[in-house]
Parts: sequence; structure tokens; C-alpha cells
Amino acid sequence: GDSVTQMEGPVTLSEEAFLTINCTYTATGYPSLFWYVQYPGEGLQLLLKATKADDKGSNKGFEATYRKETTSFHLEKGSVQVSDSAVYFCALGNTGGFKTIFGAGTRLFVKA
Amino acid sequence: EAGVAQSPRYKIIEKRQSVAFWCNPISGHATLYWYQQILGQGPKLLIQFQNNGVVDDSQLPKDRFSAERLKGVDSTLKIQPAKLEDSAVYLCASSLGRDKLNTEAFFGQGTRLTVV
Repeated sequence: GDSVTQMEGPVTLSEEAFLTINCTYTATGYPSLFWYVQYPGEGLQLLLKATKADDKGSNKGFEATYRKETTSFHLEKGSVQVSDSAVYFCALGNTGGFKTIFGAGTRLFVKA
Repeated sequence: EAGVAQSPRYKIIEKRQSVAFWCNPISGHATLYWYQQILGQGPKLLIQFQNNGVVDDSQLPKDRFSAERLKGVDSTLKIQPAKLEDSAVYLCASSLGRDKLNTEAFFGQGTRLTVV
């Protein structure tokens, strides 16, 4: 069945460092791909999305490109801030049943 | 636009007791999901409704969990009897769910359940 695999955390970075969180997926068809973020004590929020191959989703300085050839959707940010500390979830929108399937999440700590 | 509403925010019960959670999705969203998120893990889909019909409940422990979505709007998730391992955050989400471009799920704040 469809699945998402993302790098294990936690990831600890200093402020202004470059961030990459790897995500790969297995799916039939052409799913939509998402990154959700969960800040401490809050619910899940959509960070960015891409609906077809080679699309780039971007928001708040974060970017991810839908790579069909490598079945990947890696999250990147050029300069992280302390306020980016959160758990990041890669997810896919299953085209068959329109359901969202999540990875296990990657916790990011950014220190000043 | 109002978001997904869930209640209660927190619940503490003893094992073998019953508990119910309520969810009101975004107006016009045909698809409603209940997810279970155990501490340190990603959300796991328990059940998915399309309007008032069940699309997927393959991971719902049906001996103790039940859910309904009467009239295709609000939904309730019940656990009876609760076990210690049911301690988790229960997330409700909704999406337009009509086509590939509308699979984006919008989440409520969740209900944190502690079973003691």
C-alpha cells in the first residue's frame, strides 16, 4: 500500500543553518504531496504542498520539490530560526481514496 | 473561515471506562478523518468518512472503537472500554475530498486522552 518514509530525528541545528529533511514515498498513481508542521502544544498545520511532478511547494522560507523519478519530496530551508523548532510530517494524498497518509515525523530543534 | 472544531481538548479516564470525542468539520467538506497520534509517532488513520458513509476503517479496533457521522456533518468517536494503550491525541481532520487537487486535510486541535 501507499506509504511515506522520512528521516528519523531529532535534528538539532544552530540558528541560520541550512535544513534538509528527507522524505520518500511509495504510491500508486500520482499522489499529492504535503509537509505538515506541528508546533509544541498545537495541532497539525499544512506547511506546503505540491500536486504534480516537478511542482515546488513553498511557504515561510521552506521549499520542497515533487520528484517523481526519485519518489522524493525533501523539505529544505536556507536559514532556520529558533521559532522553526517543531515536528515536521511528510504526507501524501492518496488518489484512490482521497486520504492522507503520514510519515512518522521528524523533530527539529533549533538553538540560538 | 472556521476551522475544524473538536471537544473536549483534554480527557482523563480510568481504564475500562468509556469516552466520546466530538468533531465538527469545515463547512462543505465531504471527507472527515479520525486519526490517532501516539506520543512520538505520526498520525495513524482510524476511520475515514465520505459524507456519512465509511470509506476506510481498516485500522479501527472495532471491538472497542466506534464512530459515526450522522447527516454527513458532525462526527463522534467512542472508545468503550478504554485501555491504557489508548492514551494518545485523537485528531479530527476534514477535506473537500472531491478530487485529487483537494486531498489537503485541515486538522482540529485534537483531544488528548490519558487513560490511567
